[in-house]
Amino acid sequence: EAQVTQNPRYLITVTGKKLTVTCSQNMNHEYMSWYRQDPGLGLRQIYYSMNVEVTDKGDVPEGYKVSRKEKRNFPLILESPSPNQTSLYFCASSLSSMGGQPQHFGDGTRLSIL
Amino acid sequence: QQQVKQSPQSLIVQKGGIPIINCAYENTAFDYFPWYQQFPGKGPALLIAIRPDVSEKKEGRFTISFNKSAKQFSLHIMDSQPGDSATYFCAAERDSNYQLIWGAGTKLIIKP
Repeated sequence: EAQVTQNPRYLITVTGKKLTVTCSQNMNHEYMSWYRQDPGLGLRQIYYSMNVEVTDKGDVPEGYKVSRKEKRNFPLILESPSPNQTSLYFCASSLSSMGGQPQHFGDGTRLSIL
Repeated sequence: QQQVKQSPQSLIVQKGGIPIINCAYENTAFDYFPWYQQFPGKGPALLIAIRPDVSEKKEGRFTISFNKSAKQFSLHIMDSQPGDSATYFCAAERDSNYQLIWGAGTKLIIKP
């Protein structure tokens, strides 16, 4: 089954404790992206990757890191999480970075930073 | 400006009614306008999309109307069903790097 898999689905942690949210897709997609979803704000892009070893900042990259060492994986790293990073996070992928491609989303990771 | 403004924030409609969700944008360089549907506990999924060279697109009970001069587009759901209850997001694609700019979302409830 074609899918985007995120782990963990839920995480409660404390300020300053480094964490990684993994994302993996099995569709051989070139383009991958991370979003955060907050009430009343829709989805805001954190980072995106047009292909392996190519990543770039989205609209809200502060406090986050990513890497794209393999085509299928695109982990999101919070080196020193803070309470304002409490949010619902989504990983997405699409076939290519060319326009008009549907994005396929994981089921989300709900992070609570205390 | 790169924003996409979506309204209403929430909407309750009786079964069989026609909910309408509206979006407005400012950047005339946007050239792809998708709608995504999100159920609780799930990620958004592409529902229907339109490009500005057409004024309307239908897929089943879902229709996008697009007004290029007004920089507005809307989603209509014909013969709405309780199973259509979800959060709907409009978006616009930035042509420079194909990033999606999202509206704030509309929580739609269809009452039986």
